Amino acid sequence: DAKTTQPNSMESNEEEPVHLPCNHSTISGTDYIHWYRQLPSQGPEYVIHGLTSNVNNRMASLAIAEDRKSSTLILHRATLRDAAVYYCILRDVNNAGNMLTFGGGTRLMVKP
Amino acid sequence: DTEVTQTPKHLVMGMTNKKSLKCEQHMGHRAMYWYKQKAKKPPELMFVYSYEKLSINESVPSRFSPECPNSSLLNLHLHALQPEDSALYLCASSQLEGRGSYNEQFFGPGTRLTVL
Repeated sequence: DAKTTQPNSMESNEEEPVHLPCNHSTISGTDYIHWYRQLPSQGPEYVIHGLTSNVNNRMASLAIAEDRKSSTLILHRATLRDAAVYYCILRDVNNAGNMLTFGGGTRLMVKP
Repeated sequence: DTEVTQTPKHLVMGMTNKKSLKCEQHMGHRAMYWYKQKAKKPPELMFVYSYEKLSINESVPSRFSPECPNSSLLNLHLHALQPEDSALYLCASSQLEGRGSYNEQFFGPGTRLTVL
């Protein structure tokens, strides 16, 4: 699976939008873009995933660049509970093992 | 029920001990995973079980021995560990519907292991 690059940390104010970037310049046509997050003292949890089109769900939105070399996870109104490490992961659709290879992630800090 | 449970939450063991970590899910998932996470680092995949058979072993030392007694249970048997094996051990599960399907992984809270 191709590699992703994320900032080590970001800071946000509560109730403001947060845009978490991810670069994946070596993405292949069969790589899905996934986001998981890990809250303190918990296991990771799924946030969202997409292939080419932008995606929305109850937790977040995923904006994917037209060339697919980058993507942005958008939290529309950050809360203190959103403070976590956010992982951007590429997974080949042909990866039958359903494996996830985590990169360094971005530690999001939310200020009240 | 979308929960993966892991026991114990914490475990302290000596280098000569034998212990086991347990993971359980009742979502009907046919894939189960063990990950290891060192402090301030991302999780690293150790093992994958598909339909109760070991399908992936990421070159894990033999002092870690996984076992999948049935489709709901996953164990990790530990023997002769080293202090550097101290970490958070995470279990996860997912559906397994073949290539081309996306199957979200559900993670447990982990077992924090300390090897003295």
